[in-house]
Amino acid sequence: DQQVKQNSPSLSVQEGRISILNCDYTNSMFDYFLWYKKYPAEGPTFLISISSIKDKNEDGRFTVFLNKSAKHLSLHIVPSQPGDSAVYFCAASEANNDMRFGAGTRLTVKP
Amino acid sequence: EAGVAQSPRYKIIEKRQSVAFWCNPISGHATLYWYQQILGQGPKLLIQFQNNGVVDDSQLPKDRFSAERLKGVDSTLKIQPAKLEDSAVYLCASSPNTGRKTQYFGPGTRLLVL
Repeated sequence: DQQVKQNSPSLSVQEGRISILNCDYTNSMFDYFLWYKKYPAEGPTFLISISSIKDKNEDGRFTVFLNKSAKHLSLHIVPSQPGDSAVYFCAASEANNDMRFGAGTRLTVKP
Repeated sequence: EAGVAQSPRYKIIEKRQSVAFWCNPISGHATLYWYQQILGQGPKLLIQFQNNGVVDDSQLPKDRFSAERLKGVDSTLKIQPAKLEDSAVYLCASSPNTGRKTQYFGPGTRLLVL
């Protein structure tokens, strides 16, 4: 059961522009959402999170937006840098902390 | 602060053989997770420990997979016997005792079953 979906397997943007990565979920009980970044041969690294009581959380160049009515969240990276090139995973959990991951989106930032 | 440690990093075995993976979580983290990540997919939870007790192993194929966490710190995941479809990256993660439990991942063990 794919409760968390990342429908774009890849995204390519120019350095300095905005990267927008999207994620949809089906389980209305999810109340905590996270984005992880993964470089090759490394484990996923926590990037940013958002609770369902908020609709936006910002950390430097990274902003996560949550639209509960649409069951959609997005990660904005502004400005994008070549070092941001990685696979980004969206994850969601309920109170019991059973985290579900999307399949990931590979972001390529071109110099 | 040291991160989650895993070994080995890579393992190649033949089908029907056995294999074991080791994980040392971040110091003080009570919760430990094992995930299986098949190529092109997101990580899938296999088992979750709280200290040395199992919280969730509903997605662990118990006919061939086993895991233990002795003394509530290190953990091992074993596959016996391995199948071709077990080829994947096995990720270990840990999370702290308090607050919202963001999980911190190790580098993973890449398993290839021939």
